[in-house]
Amino acid sequence: GAGVSQSPSNKVTEKGKDVELRCDPISGHTALYWYRQSLGQGLEFLIYFQGNSAPDKSGLPSDRFSAERTGGSVSTLTIQRTQQEDSAVYLCASSDTSGGLLGELFFGEGSRLTVL
Amino acid sequence: GEDVEQSLFLSVREGDSSVINCTYTDSSSTYLYWYKQEPGAGLQLLTYIFSNMDMKQDQRLTVLLNKKDKHLSLRIADTQTGDSAIYFCAESIDTDKLIFGTGTRLQVFP
Repeated sequence: GAGVSQSPSNKVTEKGKDVELRCDPISGHTALYWYRQSLGQGLEFLIYFQGNSAPDKSGLPSDRFSAERTGGSVSTLTIQRTQQEDSAVYLCASSDTSGGLLGELFFGEGSRLTVL
Repeated sequence: GEDVEQSLFLSVREGDSSVINCTYTDSSSTYLYWYKQEPGAGLQLLTYIFSNMDMKQDQRLTVLLNKKDKHLSLRIADTQTGDSAIYFCAESIDTDKLIFGTGTRLQVFP
């Protein structure tokens, strides 16, 4: 596809279970971002991958959260032992840092996570 | 710290102007952005302004930047129902890492 693709679009899980959220960025985009959108909290930065550099993990809220980006393309955000406060929409974005407009991020439609 | 603040809601009548305000904290921001999120969709870049500019106009959109007060605003002229969305301002800190505000939900009524 032409845009950023995320899956699943909706995920309902029980407290304590692990979840994996997947992001397929736009082909050729070297930068990939994960944000979390909670009601009334805006967009919270989680993690940022740029090429082969070490990821910026400064936004991950706890050690239950981790993310990988394999082969410089697809990324997986993993939340272990989910808690109710993890319920949110998780947004992935990618950008072309080699030639595109600085700061123009292309977002997916998000994965809505509900922890019961 | 990195904090970008916006009011949460704005309600305007169709045809009126809308002004969405944002305050940011990092004076070293290079660019400032406005993103739009329509219902059920991801965010899309609406417009941006370079930090050495005071104003940028793009059709119905006017961006004003007051660097001294670290204040950014987005004015939408002749607001239409299709403008109903959540508007996020954002600043770039380390080149392409963006910090977003809380978002302002704009509701346009007939």
